[in-house]
Amino acid sequence: QKEVEQDPGPLSVPEGAIVSLNCTYSNSAFQYFMWYRQYSRKGPELLMYTYSSGNKEDGRFTAQVDKSSKYISLFIRDSQPSDSATYLCAMRDYGGSQGNLIFGKGTKLSVKP
Amino acid sequence: SQTIHQWPATLVQPVGSPLSLECTVEGTSNPNLYWYRQAAGRGLQLLFYSVGIGQISSEVPQNLSASRPQDRQFILSSKKLLLSDSGFYLCAWSVSGSRQPQHFGDGTRLSIL
Repeated sequence: QKEVEQDPGPLSVPEGAIVSLNCTYSNSAFQYFMWYRQYSRKGPELLMYTYSSGNKEDGRFTAQVDKSSKYISLFIRDSQPSDSATYLCAMRDYGGSQGNLIFGKGTKLSVKP
Repeated sequence: SQTIHQWPATLVQPVGSPLSLECTVEGTSNPNLYWYRQAAGRGLQLLFYSVGIGQISSEVPQNLSASRPQDRQFILSSKKLLLSDSGFYLCAWSVSGSRQPQHFGDGTRLSIL
């Protein structure tokens, strides 16, 4: 079983839709969770960072963490064509190797006008 | 604010030629630095990370090497490129400390002919 599972999509939604992106993980030691957005031919851009269970909101984006189910989500409200990108989840445990950030493979999202 | 620069953006090299990719970070001191390779369908693979000048940790055996000659400079090198070295190379930085998220540059797309 891979440490982090993420549905690769592609996911296509109409403009204005609510988008739900998800990752599951197997390592209960993961404590810190991130969502990155990556446009084509660009580096990943940090969207959300959280280290507690529950919801964290930033504008149209909400990150949700459920540590008991080992499940994280990113919700995008009122989606826009400019949200079309690949979304990567990432997570790590406390301490350990500085390089120990585990990424999902990304979900490709397309928002149609 | 902190910024990260990577160059070149694209590079086409013949098999057997040397490689040098450079990454610099501005606006912070003593960052952790990382080199990743991103291949289609395979996600982000950590190649090297560094917690200080001259300190390099390698995550996977490979044809590449990394160096950190200055606090905010990270270099990825190869003496002889292989076809399998083709890919999208990303540099990232984070504030030192295990809780901090990583921030990525815009990458170098490397094609080996």
